[in-house]
Amino acid sequence: DVKVTQSSRYLVKRTGEKVFLECVQDMDHENMFWYRQDPGLGLRLIYFSYDVKMKEKGDIPEGYSVSREKKERFSLILESASTNQTSMYLCASSRGQSKYSPLHFGNGTRLTVT
Amino acid sequence: SQQGEEDPQALSIQEGENATMNCSYKTSINNLQWYRQNSGRGLVHLILIRSNEREKHSGRLRVTLDTSKKSSSLLITASRAADTASYFCATALYGGATNKLIFGTGTLLAVQP
Repeated sequence: DVKVTQSSRYLVKRTGEKVFLECVQDMDHENMFWYRQDPGLGLRLIYFSYDVKMKEKGDIPEGYSVSREKKERFSLILESASTNQTSMYLCASSRGQSKYSPLHFGNGTRLTVT
Repeated sequence: SQQGEEDPQALSIQEGENATMNCSYKTSINNLQWYRQNSGRGLVHLILIRSNEREKHSGRLRVTLDTSKKSSSLLITASRAADTASYFCATALYGGATNKLIFGTGTLLAVQP
């Protein structure tokens, strides 16, 4: 089974802090994604990556950056955390170039910015 | 903007009944997928239907797709308490970036024992 592991289930950070959310997958998937989930808004795509050192903006990239130095690891960075970034963050991965490959999700990181 | 919108937002039924959730979307799609999310967990892929398919089955799940109406439905038959979860549709757009999915806002299903 594909396993997508997010390093923290819960995080509490202060406004202005730099925050790193880490995600690791163990199935050699090419594609990795970061979504945030908010009540009433569903999941919104922040950034995604199709290959090492490659990244593309999703629908809501403002205030975020990403890093993919190794194929199995995709990091989401909040350069200066703000209260409106309090949310559930979900990492996902999928295989190859096909549009028919399902996404495999981690269990999420619930981030609170105070 | 949301590509997929689920209806209803919340649904409560008794164990053994069928549950139907609907999803509408706005633009041409390559395929549509349904995911389940148990409380506080990540999403789990349930079923995928391609744009040239009209109906698909997997166990107690039945998915239909009407591309002329830009809508899909997920039917769970003989529901169980363990089916209690949020259900999301996700669309892979026709053309555009590979494997980028756009999710709807979800339907919260509660199955009463």
